[in-house]
Amino acid sequence: QVQLKESGPGLVQPSQTLSLTCTVSGFSLTSYSVHWVRQHSGKSLEWMGRMWSDGDTSYNSAFTSRLSISRDTSKSQVFLKMNSLQTEDTGTYYCARNPLDYWGQGVMVTVSS
Amino acid sequence: DVVLTQTPPTLSATIGQSVSISCRSSQSLLHSNGNTYLHWLLQRPGQSPQLLIYLVSRLESGVPNRFSGSGSGTDFTLKISGVEAEDLGVYYCVQGTHAPWTFGGGTKLELK
Repeated sequence: QVQLKESGPGLVQPSQTLSLTCTVSGFSLTSYSVHWVRQHSGKSLEWMGRMWSDGDTSYNSAFTSRLSISRDTSKSQVFLKMNSLQTEDTGTYYCARNPLDYWGQGVMVTVSS
Repeated sequence: DVVLTQTPPTLSATIGQSVSISCRSSQSLLHSNGNTYLHWLLQRPGQSPQLLIYLVSRLESGVPNRFSGSGSGTDFTLKISGVEAEDLGVYYCVQGTHAPWTFGGGTKLELK
């Protein structure tokens, strides 16, 4: 069945880089695009970006140039990298298959020294 | 960016009551390809969001048919015909017509 699972560090220091991995199963990354979505505690959801099935990427300009999304189709993995982290980047990070029909369980990231 | 305004922010309901949630967009969500990329999600406490309705009114597989979606252009509605206990949580509308995708602020459904 379709599954997505996020992995990565739970704690990142300010100004450092966040690296997350979304490992998918039950579908091909060359057939479906995958979104990254963030949620601050108790708040609404925020779309970060998307890895399209053809390998192209789209980003929310709110993250300017500090966000990068890539993939390894042989490993069925989509990667998120975001640099210059600040405390405001603390939250739960989700990956989800388009059109948001399947979600990972989320990974909670705390930015703190 | 497109702003989605959900009302009410909180909804108190009894089991069996029918309720509606409104989602208004700051611009039309009709895409040039004829589709309207407005979807509805439910996030139960402590869980990831789940898709309920996609493309305004299409029921996601496995979702009970007491959920229905309607609307066009800038005004959309999610209706629950007979709330059940498992429906409690926060409902979000989300649009994918215009980049970046944006979410509404959420509507929390509580038991009265």
